Amino acid sequence: DAEITQSPRHKITETGRQVTLACHQTWNHNNMFWYRQDLGHGLRLIHYSYGVHDTNKGEVSDGYSVSRSNTEDLPLTLESAASSQTSVYFCASSGGTSGRAGNTGELFFGEGSRLTVL
Amino acid sequence: DQQVKQNSPSLSVQEGRISILNCDYTNSMFDYFLWYKKYPAEGPTFLISISSIKDKNEDGRFTVFLNKSAKHLSLHIVPSQPGDSAVYFCAASDGSNYQLIWGAGTKLIIKP
Repeated sequence: DAEITQSPRHKITETGRQVTLACHQTWNHNNMFWYRQDLGHGLRLIHYSYGVHDTNKGEVSDGYSVSRSNTEDLPLTLESAASSQTSVYFCASSGGTSGRAGNTGELFFGEGSRLTVL
Repeated sequence: DQQVKQNSPSLSVQEGRISILNCDYTNSMFDYFLWYKKYPAEGPTFLISISSIKDKNEDGRFTVFLNKSAKHLSLHIVPSQPGDSAVYFCAASDGSNYQLIWGAGTKLIIKP
């Protein structure tokens, strides 16, 4: 079965360290997204990609970067982790065209990566 | 300023009764609305959506109603079942680029 997986599921790091969260999908979807979830804020978009070599900034992109070298993977990098980046991170994908998340609006989410920055 | 608001952080409903989750939005350019369900330690899963050209969409026990003039949508679950206990997120899109704007979520608890 097609799926979307994130790793690591849990990570504790120190302020200033570089951290990379992996996201791998086997849906062969063009569109991939990274969100963070914080209490009281719902899901906020960090970065997104509509295809290989395409990346775009979302609502809360400062301090994060992504790269898309193939269809399956969109790793999220925190160049210098800060305590404000302690959060749960979700990767998602969709097969819609023109960036719209498919005709049904359906995003497929990974199980999340909980990051703690001390 | 939150463009999508779910004003009830939690809701408790008796099993078998109707659950009504509410969502308000401020951006009149939103033309597509979605509900997602999230269990603890899992990612959100798509539940149901509605386009702004409709005022109702039904899928089994789940119905979403859209009132464009009031900028309000609601999700009805009838009858409520224990497995419906989860956090429900409302999200909206204006189609200009891909950005879903999310509400903060409502935790639904179904009591036996």
